[in-house]
Amino acid sequence: QVHLVESGGGLVKPGGSLRLSCGASGFTFSDFYMSWIRQPPGKGLEWVSYISSSSNYADYADSVKGRFTISRDNAKNSLYLQMNSLRAEDAAVYYCVRASREIDYWGQGTLVTVSS
Amino acid sequence: DVVMTQSPLSLPVTLGQPASISCRSSQSLVYSDGNTYLNWFQQRPGQSPRRLIYKVSNRDSGVPDRFSGSGSGTDFTLKITRVEAEDVGVYYCMQGTHWPYSFGQGTKLEIK
Repeated sequence: QVHLVESGGGLVKPGGSLRLSCGASGFTFSDFYMSWIRQPPGKGLEWVSYISSSSNYADYADSVKGRFTISRDNAKNSLYLQMNSLRAEDAAVYYCVRASREIDYWGQGTLVTVSS
Repeated sequence: DVVMTQSPLSLPVTLGQPASISCRSSQSLVYSDGNTYLNWFQQRPGQSPRRLIYKVSNRDSGVPDRFSGSGSGTDFTLKITRVEAEDVGVYYCMQGTHWPYSFGQGTKLEIK
């Protein structure tokens, strides 16, 4: 059974940094592209970033490009999102998903709050 | 970037009645491999989204057969033949053909 468990969310001041983690189990992590998707409270979904199975490819939404970095450690079955220069508009629930062009599994999400 | 436009945004439905949600993309979603990467998701209150349909019309395992997806090119539809109480939530279409992948605004289904 596939499980994706995010952690690392919390309250951060504007301009601050945060690193999200996602632990994966129930499948061969190194075989799959992974992604981060976010959802501001009460709003819709935005695809933030994806990374290929061997970390050769990654891309970002324009809204986070240059500030966020996606990475993974296949030996630890873990996905990460380093978020720098955080803004109020980055506040959201961040979901770790198993996905390339299609999402088949979602984590439960971790909440990031950006406020002074 | 591809814009996904859903309608309606609010959908009050009587139990047992059908429901239909439209999703239109600003560009064709046919990818170079011949597939059309159009998914439908359901997000129940307080839960993570759950995929219902992939590649336009393929139902995920465990999804009731009252849900169906159809369409091609830029016009897609999610249909529920008979709405049940457990169907309450927000429904999103999503395209995975053109980066950045994108979601529709969401359609909130409620029981009338």
